[in-house]
Amino acid sequence: DVQLVESGGGLVKPGGSLRLSCAGSGFTFSKAWMNWVRQPPGKGLEWVGHILPKSKGGTSEHSPDLRGKFYVSRDDSLDTAYLDMNSLSTEDTAVYYCTTENYFDVGRYFDFWGRGTLVTVSS
Amino acid sequence: QSVLTQPPSVSGAPGQRVSISCTGSSSNLGARFDVHWYQQFPGTVPKLLIYGDRKRPSGVPERFSASTSGTSASLAISGLQAEDEADYYCQSYDITLGTYVFGSGTKVNVL
Repeated sequence: DVQLVESGGGLVKPGGSLRLSCAGSGFTFSKAWMNWVRQPPGKGLEWVGHILPKSKGGTSEHSPDLRGKFYVSRDDSLDTAYLDMNSLSTEDTAVYYCTTENYFDVGRYFDFWGRGTLVTVSS
Repeated sequence: QSVLTQPPSVSGAPGQRVSISCTGSSSNLGARFDVHWYQQFPGTVPKLLIYGDRKRPSGVPERFSASTSGTSASLAISGLQAEDEADYYCQSYDITLGTYVFGSGTKVNVL
C-alpha cells in the first residue's frame, strides 16, 4: 500500500524557517510527482508546490504566492520529499499534506495523501 | 479568495439527491482542464473522490457522480447517507495562474 509520512512540523516564530519531510513507501518513489498541499485551520486546501521525477527533469514548481519563500526538493535515495519554508508568517500556519500526483486526460490530481504535519507560526 | 467557487454548504435528508457546484472561468474549467473532487471528514485527510471530470477511483460508491459544462462542474450525491456528511472540494488547473487550484469547499449536511 502507498504510504506517505510527513514530519518536521511544529511551532516556529514569525520570520523563522522550517523543513518538512515526506517519506514515501509502497510505490516507486523515483518515478512519482510529489506535492505539498496545505490547509489552514478551519479553511480550505491550497496547493503549495511539487517536484517532478528526475526522468522529467526533476524540476520543482510552486504556487506563485509562495514562490521564493517555499521550495520543494527530493532525495530519491531516501524516498523522501522535502518542503523548505522561509520567512514564515502567521498566515503560513496550517496542516501541510504530502501527496502523490497522477494524471488522466488533460488533468492532474492528487491521489494519495499523507496524514499531514501541523506548522504553527506564532511568537 | 478561491479561484473555483463552491457554495459554503448544501443540505439534504437521507435518501435525497444533493448537488454541489464548482464555478470557474475560461482559464481553468473553461480551458477544458479536468475537474477532480475530494472528500474530507472533520479532522481527517482529504480523499480523492472523483478524477478526470467523472471517473470514480476503486471503492467509491456509484451514488457519487460528477459532470462538467463550460466553466462549471457539479458533484452529485444520490441516496444521501449520514456518512456522507463531510466537506467536498473541487480542484483543477489554472493556465493563467500556472497553478493547481482548489474550490472553496462545500459542507454537506445530512438532516
